[in-house]
Amino acid sequence: SQQGEEDPQALSIQEGENATMNCSYKTSINNLQWYRQNSGRGLVHLILIRSNEREKHSGRLRVTLDTSKKSSSLLITASRAADTASYFCATVLLMEYGNKLVFGAGTILRVKS
Amino acid sequence: GAGVSQSPSNKVTEKGKDVELRCDPISGHTALYWYRQSLGQGLEFLIYFQGNSAPDKSGLPSDRFSAERTGGSVSTLTIQRTQQEDSAVYLCASSRGVQRVNEQFFGPGTRLTVL
Repeated sequence: SQQGEEDPQALSIQEGENATMNCSYKTSINNLQWYRQNSGRGLVHLILIRSNEREKHSGRLRVTLDTSKKSSSLLITASRAADTASYFCATVLLMEYGNKLVFGAGTILRVKS
Repeated sequence: GAGVSQSPSNKVTEKGKDVELRCDPISGHTALYWYRQSLGQGLEFLIYFQGNSAPDKSGLPSDRFSAERTGGSVSTLTIQRTQQEDSAVYLCASSRGVQRVNEQFFGPGTRLTVL
């Protein structure tokens, strides 16, 4: 089964509103990353939060991590139409050979102008 | 190069034919990953390379799938006797190494359609 699972599956908001996406995972992690994907093609790394961090900011992005609940959230403030994309969380498992990313199914965000 | 490149960008093939997908990672990146993404789904891990060796092939769905990497750079994912359920976007990613916690840099993907 997938390590990370996002909710909601789809989110539609008006430009200017905030968008919150959640991710839950099952096992212990080294860190958690959020990625964005436009038009079903390549993913772009947004932000990484380590297991010993609780909150991290990058521009209009705010990520929280609660390791006791095995969950993370991505908040996009003051959304823009250009934020329309799919957003994936990826948990990073430390394997004996190195890192392995396990992706969730993603949240489809639509920002209406 | 400046980023991860993949070729072809689109591939349409007939059921039963073999296909080869290519990935050119970022220069100097020792780690290379292949993923598969079916329509509307998340990414499914296929295989990981560190240099030319593949310590994790656990995601390859069947023995029709194989991959190799030569010279610690270019990788080729081969699907033999393609089936319609192989239709998906195949994404390649690279990262600097595995001893550090690194982000992965993704290519644009190859959209494979098996008729």
